[in-house]
Amino acid sequence: ILNVEQSPQSLHVQEGDSTNFTCSFPSSNFYALHWYRWETAKSPEALFVMTLNGDEKKKGRISATLNTKEGYSYLYIKGSQPEDSATYLCAPRGGSNYKLTFGKGTLLTVNP
Amino acid sequence: DAMVIQNPRYQVTQFGKPVTLSCSQTLNHNVMYWYQQKSSQAPKLLFHYYDKDFNNEADTPDNFQSRRPNTSFCFLDIRSPGLGDAAMYLCATSRGQDPTEQYFGPGTRLTVT
Repeated sequence: ILNVEQSPQSLHVQEGDSTNFTCSFPSSNFYALHWYRWETAKSPEALFVMTLNGDEKKKGRISATLNTKEGYSYLYIKGSQPEDSATYLCAPRGGSNYKLTFGKGTLLTVNP
Repeated sequence: DAMVIQNPRYQVTQFGKPVTLSCSQTLNHNVMYWYQQKSSQAPKLLFHYYDKDFNNEADTPDNFQSRRPNTSFCFLDIRSPGLGDAAMYLCATSRGQDPTEQYFGPGTRLTVT
């Protein structure tokens, strides 16, 4: 069982602020890391799948980095908008295991 | 154009009264998953089907069962719900067991009274 930590648990920012949060996971036997965004009353939506150390992915104002040697990933949101308000979940996969082990998520609230 | 559909979105059941949650998909994916998320906790995998092969997680209580009558549908049966089974139940699908991503439904929130 992977121990996955996400911080902070929740975050309130003003519209236009940039923000970032962290996902920590065991660095041994790493295979891939998934980031999801989950808006209230909607389905969790896949943001990124990251596999390589040093990988950086970008989708609009959202980007993510990955450090597999030290076991962490950062998610950045530039110029937060109210529609970015959601819970952001990370889920690493170990070895060739198909299983996603989720963290508890970071709840982001962007105030207009 | 919903791809993974869960019904109902909200379900209330009584303590000990069997309940079934349903999931359907239009993606023709061969793997379907059920996750449980209790309040302030991480989503936790209960079991999954690879085609018709059922794979139970070791710590999933016997109270939870699943059926997959065809590729498109998967059901979660809770035989005797307890108060501790109140949670959000998420269904997900993927193409194969080495997916680039899993596609989720919006979940069913189960309340046990």
